Amino acid sequence: KAGVTQTPRYLIKTRGQQVTLSCSPISGHRSVSWYQQTPGQGLQFLFEYFSETQRNKGNFPGRFSGRQFSNSRSEMNVSTLELGDSALYLCASSLAYSGGGADTQYFGPGTRLTVL
Amino acid sequence: KQEVTQIPAALSVPEGENLVLNCSFTDSAIYNLQWFRQDPGKGLTSLLLIQSSQREQTSGRLNASLDKSSGRSTLYIAASQPGDSATYLCARNTDKLIFGTGTRLQVFP
Repeated sequence: KAGVTQTPRYLIKTRGQQVTLSCSPISGHRSVSWYQQTPGQGLQFLFEYFSETQRNKGNFPGRFSGRQFSNSRSEMNVSTLELGDSALYLCASSLAYSGGGADTQYFGPGTRLTVL
Repeated sequence: KQEVTQIPAALSVPEGENLVLNCSFTDSAIYNLQWFRQDPGKGLTSLLLIQSSQREQTSGRLNASLDKSSGRSTLYIAASQPGDSATYLCARNTDKLIFGTGTRLQVFP
């Protein structure tokens, strides 16, 4: 079974631009979560989608948004990029029918975003 | 604030040693706990998930335990190998993952 895939793997943008990242979960997984990883803050939760609905949201500004499609693929968008948005963005998928964290989270390879 | 701490922050050992990585959390409520490894510049690989009702899980040379009363989890790596070199992260698994600070492990031949 194919793992979680993320595209693109690398992105370079300038301040003020916007960016869209894509995540395809493991087949059959309906939950997709997004995380930001930086050297200073570590791994931080952005949001989670389940069956096309945002089920949980972390403490990030409104410039960060996401959505999920009917095939469970998910996109996240960052508008008006800032230098501090440079990070590795990871998505994770799980079955998560219960929503209570009872399922293993499987991560993709990440998208490395650099903002100049 | 929910916090997850990992000790030590870094560890360098010769091949063959048995290792213990520690993870502690401030909130002792009942949660699942998941251990991951991350190779430089890569995503996270799930190692073990311990359900809140379990005390430990084993996979090959890895054994993870969970003690909710003390708010601690340990990852035991038996007979370490150079291929085990990576950063190890624990995370409380609730409606989202709350990650620890990580332990950077280097196993040298």
